[in-house]
Amino acid sequence: EEQLVESGGDLVHPGGSLRLSCVVSGFTLSAYDLSWVRQAPGKGLEWVSTLNGRGDRTFYADPVKGRFTISRDTSKNTLYLQMNSLGAEDTALYYCAKNQGSGSYPFASWGQGTRVTVSS
Amino acid sequence: SYVLSQSPSVSVAPGETARITCGAGNIRTKSVHWYQQKSGQAPVLVIYYDDHRASGIPERFSGSKSGNTATLTIDAVEAGDAADYYCQVWEDTSDHLWVFGGGTKLSVL
Repeated sequence: EEQLVESGGDLVHPGGSLRLSCVVSGFTLSAYDLSWVRQAPGKGLEWVSTLNGRGDRTFYADPVKGRFTISRDTSKNTLYLQMNSLGAEDTALYYCAKNQGSGSYPFASWGQGTRVTVSS
Repeated sequence: SYVLSQSPSVSVAPGETARITCGAGNIRTKSVHWYQQKSGQAPVLVIYYDDHRASGIPERFSGSKSGNTATLTIDAVEAGDAADYYCQVWEDTSDHLWVFGGGTKLSVL
């Protein structure tokens, strides 16, 4: 059974940093694109970032470009999201999601999310 | 940037048909995926590549696309179908990659 378990969410001050982790099981990290999707309180889903299966291409939504970095450690079966220069607009529940394949394949599996709150 | 337009809410009585739409200028050239998100839960894939039902999704759920609109249809709606529904496309003409619609809240009266 595939599982994705996020962690690392916390309350952080504006301008601070945080690193989210997503430990996966039941599939090989390098065989699929993996993504982060966030959902601000009471709002819709917003794609944040994707790392391709080969691990050599990263993609970011405009609001996080230059501040967030997606990466992985295949030896630990873990996907990361390093978030810097956080602002109130980054407050959200952050999900990691496994693409069903690469490219246009849908997000077949999701974690339960980890909550990030940016506040002074 | 690419924008997907969804109506904020749809209300139907149990047993009726719900149609949730997702509009964009050239959506006919895109592959559309649909997700269901019940309150307090993670999203679940229901329809992929326009009209393919995901594993475990009842046959009451179907997807279609015509002109500038993709539609998620739920026949014989049940109380348990109440949720937010999001469409999604892969925007491969830019680095923005993935776009979600704003979501439609389905209420079952």
